[in-house]
Amino acid sequence: EAGVVQSPRYKIIEKKQPVAFWCNPISGHNTLYWYLQNLGQGPELLIRYENEEAVDDSQLPKDRFSAERLKGVDSTLKIQPAELGDSAVYLCASGLQGLSEQYFGPGTRLTVT
Amino acid sequence: DAKTTQPPSMDCAEGRAANLPCNHSTISGNEYVYWYRQIHSQGPQYIIHGLKNNETNEMASLIITEDRKSSTLILPHATLRDTAVYYCIVLSGSARQLTFGSGTQLTVLP
Repeated sequence: EAGVVQSPRYKIIEKKQPVAFWCNPISGHNTLYWYLQNLGQGPELLIRYENEEAVDDSQLPKDRFSAERLKGVDSTLKIQPAELGDSAVYLCASGLQGLSEQYFGPGTRLTVT
Repeated sequence: DAKTTQPPSMDCAEGRAANLPCNHSTISGNEYVYWYRQIHSQGPQYIIHGLKNNETNEMASLIITEDRKSSTLILPHATLRDTAVYYCIVLSGSARQLTFGSGTQLTVLP
């Protein structure tokens, strides 16, 4: 069974540029999560989807971050414009509705210069 | 969700059992104990979870004290590939948000 797929794995951009990350969850998983992980810290939730609905986006900085999951399958997280402090690893995870186990992708390492 | 306390780092000899402790003294009756690990440059990986009883799967065993205020994750025969940060997380059965702390860096030594 294929795991959670994320692309790109690495991205380097200059500040003020836009950037987008893509995630394809495990087939059949209707819950999708985006996390941010700073160096030396645990992941922090940005947004959680149940199918195509964002049910928890309280931690998403909405002035520059946006996310979508149009058909309830894959998802895109966007930052516009990026700031130096956005340099981090962005993790996507998926799971089955009603269960707390989450399955993580390898993440996208973003470097903003 | 209850807060957890873990040692920042531990070492273990290859082939020996690794016992990773976690304190969760404020855990409430409907909260589960979850363990995840994160190998360098990878996403976190689910290991095991439990409520009251001890649990075992192909990866590890989870021992929860009778008062549920602490637990221990046991890797029975640690290998070099078990070197990772191990996170202990407490959350209610209805919760969907994992709150990761700093975890324990386990280093398995040859």
